[in-house]
Amino acid sequence: KQEVTQIPAALSVPEGENLVLNCSFTDSAIYNLQWFRQDPGKGLTSLLLIQSSQREQTSGRLNASLDKSSGRSTLYIAASQPGDSATYLCAVNLSAQKLVFGQGTRLTINP
Amino acid sequence: KAGVTQTPRYLIKTRGQQVTLSCSPISGHRSVSWYQQTPGQGLQFLFEYFSETQRNKGNFPGRFSGRQFSNSRSEMNVSTLELGDSALYLCASSLVPSAEAFFGQGTRLTVV
Repeated sequence: KQEVTQIPAALSVPEGENLVLNCSFTDSAIYNLQWFRQDPGKGLTSLLLIQSSQREQTSGRLNASLDKSSGRSTLYIAASQPGDSATYLCAVNLSAQKLVFGQGTRLTINP
Repeated sequence: KAGVTQTPRYLIKTRGQQVTLSCSPISGHRSVSWYQQTPGQGLQFLFEYFSETQRNKGNFPGRFSGRQFSNSRSEMNVSTLELGDSALYLCASSLVPSAEAFFGQGTRLTVV
């Protein structure tokens, strides 16, 4: 059974810092991995999608990497801003859009 | 381009009642999946539809059901509601099942 773990569960950093969020999964047989952010009481916003054949993807200040063999992904956020405060979720796509989610990392950026 | 639309946004129901939630995917997307989000269990997969066929179902009781119409719009139904069904129900759509998933704002269901 695929399990997805995110560490840390919560993170608080001052504005301007670069930070890394971690995601690990137990089964490397995945279609892709996707990172989302969720603001309180809202839906999920897609940040980055990495296909299983790719090693990384970048969008603005965000960079995500994928190491399928070790079952790990990282989300790097450069020059953090208060508006980045949210819960960040990673999800692996097992098959036919069946996503398995981690429990998320609650990120707080302090001005 | 309109995103994924879920209706209603909020619902309050009584135990034993049934409820139907609706999801309109992004135009052109044919895959729709549903998830339940609770504080204790996080996000859990309910089911996925592609071209009107249910292709995957999560580990939920038979009270949870769904369908997809020819225009790709999807509905999920929960019968005989229980207090534990209170959750945020999220719908996602994608062009095809292996593509990027886009989520709606969710329906907040409260069972009293």
